Amino acid sequence: AQKVTQAQTEISVVEKEDVTLDCVYETRDTTYYLFWYKQPPSGELVFLIRRNSFDEQNEISGRYSWNFQKSTSSFNFTITASQVVDSAVYFCALKGSNYQLIWGAGTKLIIKP
Amino acid sequence: NAGVTQTPKFQVLKTGQSMTLQCAQDMNHNSMYWYRQDPGMGLRLIYYSASEGTTDKGEVPNGYNVSRLNKREFSLRLESAAPSQTSVYFCASSYNYGTSGTDTQYFGPGTRLTVL
Repeated sequence: AQKVTQAQTEISVVEKEDVTLDCVYETRDTTYYLFWYKQPPSGELVFLIRRNSFDEQNEISGRYSWNFQKSTSSFNFTITASQVVDSAVYFCALKGSNYQLIWGAGTKLIIKP
Repeated sequence: NAGVTQTPKFQVLKTGQSMTLQCAQDMNHNSMYWYRQDPGMGLRLIYYSASEGTTDKGEVPNGYNVSRLNKREFSLRLESAAPSQTSVYFCASSYNYGTSGTDTQYFGPGTRLTVL
């Protein structure tokens, strides 16, 4: 069975702090894909990143970075120098051989000014 | 380019009523999806359409039906609404199904449905 666990239900930090959102996944597939989406208070879901299981290189996009470690089945997301606009619910998702996205429960990130 | 649009944005139904949620995309995507989102949970797939002319059940299809009207439009119907169907419904689309590299799903703004 496939599963995505986001153990942090809610995180609250002060603006400009760095924050890491954890994502741990379970799958028996050797080929799979991992995603992060952002859901701001307005409610829409915004795609952030897609990563395949053969590419363990870390990725950086501005203040956002992702650390993929197959050895620990984790795909963590770090926001550097957080801003109030980063406040949102962040979802991690997994796609394996059945082609369906399996979603974590989400982490609510609160950035205080 | 509007992306994925959904109507209505909000709806209140009484138990037993029926309704159809509409979804349209203008990105020339082949695949479309319907999800529901409940508090404290991730999204769960209700139905999907890998390509025009096909539809398949997802994780939680009971109580729902879908129609892929054409390449652009994918509707979700509740025939006899129940309080357990109170949720936020999201439509999504992707260029392809599977894991081709063009399978990233893009989402509509959601429909907040309350069944009394």
